[in-house]
Amino acid sequence: AQRVTQPEKLLSVFKGAPVELKCNYSYSGSPELFWYVQYSRQRLQLLLRHISRESIKGFTADLNKGETSFHLKKPFAQEEDSAMYYCAPPTTSGTYKYIFGTGTRLKVLA
Amino acid sequence: DTGVSQDPRHKITKRGQNVTFRCDPISEHNRLYWYRQTLGQGPEFLTYFQNEAQLEKSRLLSDRFSAERPKGSFSTLEIQRTEQGDSAMYLCASSLPLGKSSGANVLTFGAGSRLTVL
Repeated sequence: AQRVTQPEKLLSVFKGAPVELKCNYSYSGSPELFWYVQYSRQRLQLLLRHISRESIKGFTADLNKGETSFHLKKPFAQEEDSAMYYCAPPTTSGTYKYIFGTGTRLKVLA
Repeated sequence: DTGVSQDPRHKITKRGQNVTFRCDPISEHNRLYWYRQTLGQGPEFLTYFQNEAQLEKSRLLSDRFSAERPKGSFSTLEIQRTEQGDSAMYLCASSLPLGKSSGANVLTFGAGSRLTVL
């Protein structure tokens, strides 16, 4: 079965420090990958998708097919970045069944 | 359009009772998903529809779970003979297919329906 691995359940960084949230997937094709975020008391929402190659709220994510990784990065963390982050690739080519990782809670400390 | 709506927001029931959740997706979205989320876990895929067709159902789901989307618009998720292990947040999401817009394949989530089985 396809798997999504987010190895860190909790990541604490100080404000202004760089952040990297890891995501590894088991998939052999060319997946369409997403990062979703859930702020406190809000709905789960899209943060970014790799095909758009854009930076959202200062976050970027690079797809590394060799390492099957899609890590989320931000050079300078802000307190408002504190949230749960989920990586979500599809399971197999051509499917729209999106599975989610277990998530990483990011805490940005003042 | 106010986004994806789910009803009820919270349901408390006794073990053995049946419960039904409703999801109203964004009107132009033809794909609709159900996920289950428990504390400390990511959303777990249950099933998804394209229009009225149920294209995939998780093998993790027992026969007590059934979902419908009869007219390709709203969907219902029914759990029969609830068990305490069914206690969770049930999330609905909808999306546009590829090619329809730049937002294609992006899941828009509802606020969820929280089920507590006593």
